[in-house]
Amino acid sequence: KAGVTQTPRYLIKTRGQQVTLSCSPISGHRSVSWYQQTPGQGLQFLFEYFSETQRNKGNFPGRFSGRQFSNSRSEMNVSTLELGDSALYLCASERGVSNTGELFFGEGSRLTVL
Amino acid sequence: QKEVEQDPGPLSVPEGAIVSLNCTYSNSAFQYFMWYRQYSRKGPELLMYTYSSGNKEDGRFTAQVDKSSKYISLFIRDSQPSDSATYLCAPRGYSGGYQKVTFGTGTKLQVIP
Repeated sequence: KAGVTQTPRYLIKTRGQQVTLSCSPISGHRSVSWYQQTPGQGLQFLFEYFSETQRNKGNFPGRFSGRQFSNSRSEMNVSTLELGDSALYLCASERGVSNTGELFFGEGSRLTVL
Repeated sequence: QKEVEQDPGPLSVPEGAIVSLNCTYSNSAFQYFMWYRQYSRKGPELLMYTYSSGNKEDGRFTAQVDKSSKYISLFIRDSQPSDSATYLCAPRGYSGGYQKVTFGTGTKLQVIP
């Protein structure tokens, strides 16, 4: 069974640019969540999508957005990049119907903003 | 104050030592208590979880939850160099009106051969 796939793995952008990250969940998983991971703040929840609808949202500015397609693949977009957006962006999928909520993570997209 | 507090370490121990990793939390609605392990340059993976208070053992790993004191622990017996990773506690429950998991900042563990 293929795992969660994130692309691109590494990218470098400059301030003011925008970026789009992609996530393909495990087959059959309908929920996709996005997290930002930094050394000081740890894993911070961005948003969760379930069946193409945003179900939950973290406390991030509107520059961070996402969407989910009918095949459960998801993208997140960050506009007007700031230096502080440099981080590892992790995508996680789950079946979406379990209370235990085991998350299956991809290896992440490491974004550097110069 | 963060909902989940975790000592970031780093924690360095000799091979064979018993390791104790801990978290505290503030949200009484948390019901499932998970531990994720993250190797360098990898995404986190679920190590084990417990439901409500009590202990759960899985091989060399024991997870313990005390809901009365809002304290979460993970013990590793006979630690191995392959246990070197960052360990994240992740309680789950209703927070802000919906079901979600909240991660601690992670404790980086190094087991020295």
